[in-house]
Amino acid sequence: QKEVEQNSGPLSVPEGAIASLNCTYSDRGSQSFFWYRQYSGKSPELIMFIYSNGDKEDGRFTAQLNKASQYVSLLIRDSQPSDSATYLCAVRNRDDKIIFGKGTRLHILP
Amino acid sequence: GAGVSQSPSNKVTEKGKDVELRCDPISGHTALYWYRQSLGQGLEFLIYFQGNSAPDKSGLPSDRFSAERTGGSVSTLTIQRTQQEDSAVYLCASSRDRGSNQPQHFGDGTRLSIL
Repeated sequence: QKEVEQNSGPLSVPEGAIASLNCTYSDRGSQSFFWYRQYSGKSPELIMFIYSNGDKEDGRFTAQLNKASQYVSLLIRDSQPSDSATYLCAVRNRDDKIIFGKGTRLHILP
Repeated sequence: GAGVSQSPSNKVTEKGKDVELRCDPISGHTALYWYRQSLGQGLEFLIYFQGNSAPDKSGLPSDRFSAERTGGSVSTLTIQRTQQEDSAVYLCASSRDRGSNQPQHFGDGTRLSIL
């Protein structure tokens, strides 16, 4: 089992709809969870981080963490074409190592 | 500086040559990380520094790869006797410290092409 798993996509979502991105992780002792956005040919940029169970909202973005089920998700409300990118989930595990998933490609349809 | 700075932005070299990649982290950030990203792939962890020491070198793919950090700031990643499979984007990131909720801030990367 890979340490951090994401569906590679592409995930196609109509403009204005909610995009839902999911990530599962294998180390139950993981403490911190990050979502990065990466445009083609660019470096990752941090969108949100979360380390407590529940939801964390920032503008159109909501991160959701469920440690019992070992998943973290990112919701993007009112999706815009500029949201089209690859979204990387990163997890800091019990060994304090940050492991990245391979990313989900999101395509917002105008 | 305001962000993580990496140089060069692009590097093309012949197989067998040595290359040196540089990373200048955000001022005051004690933790520094190197990753490699091949085309269409996720980030592959290479090494991290806390201050000048590198407690975790487990990601270095071979003994041709080495990294150092002096003065708790600038880091260099050196690849000796480069091979074509070393072609990738090499990304550097820094964070304030190794605290569990400290996010990483990435540089723009060095795109390395081995001919």
